[in-house]
Amino acid sequence: DIQMTQSPSTLAASVGDRVTITCRASQNINNQLAWYQQKPGQAPKLLIYRASDLESGVPSRFSGSGSGTEFTLTVSSLQPDDFATYYCQHYHSYSGTFGQGTKVEIK
Amino acid sequence: QVQLVQSGAELKKPGASVKVSCKASGYTFTSYYIHWVRQAPGQGLEWMGIINPSPGSTAYAQNFQGRVTMTRDTSTSTVYLDLSSLRSEDTAVYYCARGGMAIDFWGKGTLVTVSS
Repeated sequence: DIQMTQSPSTLAASVGDRVTITCRASQNINNQLAWYQQKPGQAPKLLIYRASDLESGVPSRFSGSGSGTEFTLTVSSLQPDDFATYYCQHYHSYSGTFGQGTKVEIK
Repeated sequence: QVQLVQSGAELKKPGASVKVSCKASGYTFTSYYIHWVRQAPGQGLEWMGIINPSPGSTAYAQNFQGRVTMTRDTSTSTVYLDLSSLRSEDTAVYYCARGGMAIDFWGKGTLVTVSS
């Protein structure tokens, strides 16, 4: 199975900060990567698919970039609703490993 | 509207098996894959496998090979997850989720508790 390594595991930030989360794949997955946001007690929510395509209804302050093995999720100006845990997931070759998650906390 | 309605919570003893169902509605059942993802208490998301409702082909994560079976019933638009040889570490919320490949819709989850 392809391994996905996310960093950092925890991030403390303030409202208005620019935040970047990194995800590395153990092998080339082209652009077959998604990002999700999860809040406590809720199912995850799709933010970004195909590495950089914004899911309908997701605020434009979220953006994704990268291809091959290195990917980033950026929140341009963190809002109170954005404090949550974020996961990357590859969907290459009929598989779908998640990264271990990044918890974004209030500084 | 899209719905994925999962079966209710289960309490199982170690060594037993569990079968969780996921009934889809609001879209063409055979047009999207169904993923199964679990989340142990306080832990991250763990991808278990995927089923293509048409033709019913599956792929499983290595961690679950030999213990997991995913099936579907196209007449009722229902997907099933069978997990055998349960141990305490399998205590988790089990989600079915729809995707082209990225997951765009999630069920509410089924809590499976494994305890003697």
